[in-house]
Amino acid sequence: RKEVEQDPGPFNVPEGATVAFNCTYSNSASQSFFWYRQDCRKEPKLLMSVYSSGNEDGRFTAQLNRASQYISLLIRDSKLSDSATYLCVVHFGNEKLTFGTGTRLTIIP
Amino acid sequence: NAGVTQTPKFQVLKTGQSMTLQCAQDMNHEYMSWYRQDPGMGLRLIHYSVGAGITDQGEVPNGYNVSRSTTEDFPLRLLSAAPSQTSVYFCASREGGKNEQFFGPGTRLTVL
Repeated sequence: RKEVEQDPGPFNVPEGATVAFNCTYSNSASQSFFWYRQDCRKEPKLLMSVYSSGNEDGRFTAQLNRASQYISLLIRDSKLSDSATYLCVVHFGNEKLTFGTGTRLTIIP
Repeated sequence: NAGVTQTPKFQVLKTGQSMTLQCAQDMNHEYMSWYRQDPGMGLRLIHYSVGAGITDQGEVPNGYNVSRSTTEDFPLRLLSAAPSQTSVYFCASREGGKNEQFFGPGTRLTVL
């Protein structure tokens, strides 16, 4: 089983729709969780950290379920500019960040 | 601030050649890392450094060397390039005590 698993997609979603991705992780001792965004042929950039109580940043909501070992990302009122690959990232400690393979999202006009 | 910079952007090597990928950051970050990204796989950690003079191996260190003589620079050396090292390489840095990693723009390496 991979340490971090994501549905690779692609998710093709009409503009204005709501879309959600899940990510599962295998190590119950994982400490920190993040969503990164990666545009085509660009470097990953931090979208948001994921906190135990759940957190929101504008149209983006992230949630963590430690019991079931998954994190989720919800995007509301999707924009064309949201088209990207979304990487689930789990931190086990030291410098070991484990990246999922990413979920590709395309917003359709 | 330039952030994290990497050179070159693109490189083609022949099997057996050696080269150094350069990485520099101007944010005075303690932690620096090298990742490779391959299709269908997440970014994988090659080597990392928690400060000048300190380096350690990541998940896929074989065939690569690193050094950290200054806070700013963290070069990655390919000793004898192999086709399996064809990949996109990202350098990243972060400030001690903080979670956000800042990535460089990447180096696309092809080994023939």
